[in-house]
Amino acid sequence: EPEVTQTPSHQVTQMGQEVILRCVPISNHLYFYWYRQILGQKVEFLVSFYNNEISEKSEIFDDQFSVERPDGSNFTLKIRSTKLEDSAMYFCASSKELVDTQYFGPGTRLTVL
Amino acid sequence: AQKVTQAQTEISVVEKEDVTLDCVYETRDTTYYLFWYKQPPSGELVFLIRRNSFDEQNEISGRYSWNFQKSTSSFNFTITASQVVDSAVYFCALSEKGTGANNLFFGTGTRLTVIP
Repeated sequence: EPEVTQTPSHQVTQMGQEVILRCVPISNHLYFYWYRQILGQKVEFLVSFYNNEISEKSEIFDDQFSVERPDGSNFTLKIRSTKLEDSAMYFCASSKELVDTQYFGPGTRLTVL
Repeated sequence: AQKVTQAQTEISVVEKEDVTLDCVYETRDTTYYLFWYKQPPSGELVFLIRRNSFDEQNEISGRYSWNFQKSTSSFNFTITASQVVDSAVYFCALSEKGTGANNLFFGTGTRLTVIP
C-alpha cells in the first residue's frame, strides 16, 4: 500500500541554523501539506501546496518557513533560522483531491538546542 | 473558539471493556468533513475514518464504530472489547469545504490506555 515517507526521522540542530525536512508524498496525490505537533499538544496546520504553489498557510507559517517541490517526488519544508520553539514533530501529508482524506507520513522530530 | 473539542484528555479502561471517545465540532459550513486519526506510541498518524456532513449513517468497522449526530454536532468513536493495542492518542479533526482549502483542524486528542 502506498505511503507517505519522511526523512530524517529525527533532526537535531542548533538555534539559528537552517533545516530542511523532506517528504515523499503518495505518487498519484496532488495536494500536499505540512503540520506541526509540539510535544503533547494537538496537531496544527502549517501550509498546503498544490500545482507548485502555496494554497493556504496558517499564522504559524511565517517568513522563516518555506516549502518547495524541487522535483516530481519530493516535497520539502525549510526553516531558515530555527528557534527553540520550533522544536516539534513535523508531519507531511498528501491527498489525491482537494476534499479528500489526507494520509500522513511518520513525522520528523525536530529538536532545536 | 475551538473548532473541535475533545473533552476527555485521558481515559483508562481494562482490556475487553467498551470505550467511547467524544468529539464535538463547531462549523458554519453546511459541507464539511470529519475524521478520526490514531496516534500510537510510535508517533505516526493513522487514518481511521472520514465522514461528510451529508452522511449521518453510523459506521461499524470490526470493533470500531462511529456515531455522527449533526443535531448535537458530535462525532463519537466507540471501541468495543478494547485491546492493549488500542492504546494510543486519538484525534478528531474537521475540514471545512467552504474555505476552499482542505486543512484539518484537530482536537486536542484523547489518550486511551487499555490495561491488560
